[in-house]
Amino acid sequence: DQQVKQNSPSLSVQEGRISILNCDYTNSMFDYFLWYKKYPAEGPTFLISISSIKDKNEDGRFTVFLNKSAKHLSLHIVPSQPGDSAVYFCAASEMDSNYQLIWGAGTKLIIKP
Amino acid sequence: SQTIHQWPATLVQPVGSPLSLECTVEGTSNPNLYWYRQAAGRGLQLLFYSVGIGQISSEVPQNLSASRPQDRQFILSSKKLLLSDSGFYLCAWSVGTRPMNTEAFFGQGTRLTVV
Repeated sequence: DQQVKQNSPSLSVQEGRISILNCDYTNSMFDYFLWYKKYPAEGPTFLISISSIKDKNEDGRFTVFLNKSAKHLSLHIVPSQPGDSAVYFCAASEMDSNYQLIWGAGTKLIIKP
Repeated sequence: SQTIHQWPATLVQPVGSPLSLECTVEGTSNPNLYWYRQAAGRGLQLLFYSVGIGQISSEVPQNLSASRPQDRQFILSSKKLLLSDSGFYLCAWSVGTRPMNTEAFFGQGTRLTVV
């Protein structure tokens, strides 16, 4: 059973518009969430994170929103740029599992010019 | 600055052959080290992690093993590869007492195809 789900395998967005990537989780003990970005044939790179004590974290064009009651988080990219085309992974962890991140399957974001 | 090297980038191996993937980290001491595998359409699966020399923890029982002979060296091995071992393998490192809740840095990955 997947504890972290990214239900959209792909998403296509016009350049300059907002990209919204969604992630749902089932484990209410998760207390830390991260987004990673991955280009083909490369390792993922860390993008942004959020602790469960917050509901929003912003870093430049990237904002992550956390809705604990809905067990849902989203990544907003505004404005979307061609270089944002990549696979985005959502990951989560809980305090009692110090070494393990649980990963979603990823969403491929395609930015159209 | 810290860097992570992982090689080879691609590898094609016959079923039943051995495997050795190597990962080294530069610019940091006593990192936490990880091996992940990404299968098509799935997220990253943690295979092994290590918090120090000779300390290996396995998350998923399988046909693979890991070793950490030096502080900044992490090796993924198999004695006999299976077709199901094909995938994209990633090495990563992090620091801190709660390592996977902080940023992890990944290598370039190895695309392994078992034929």
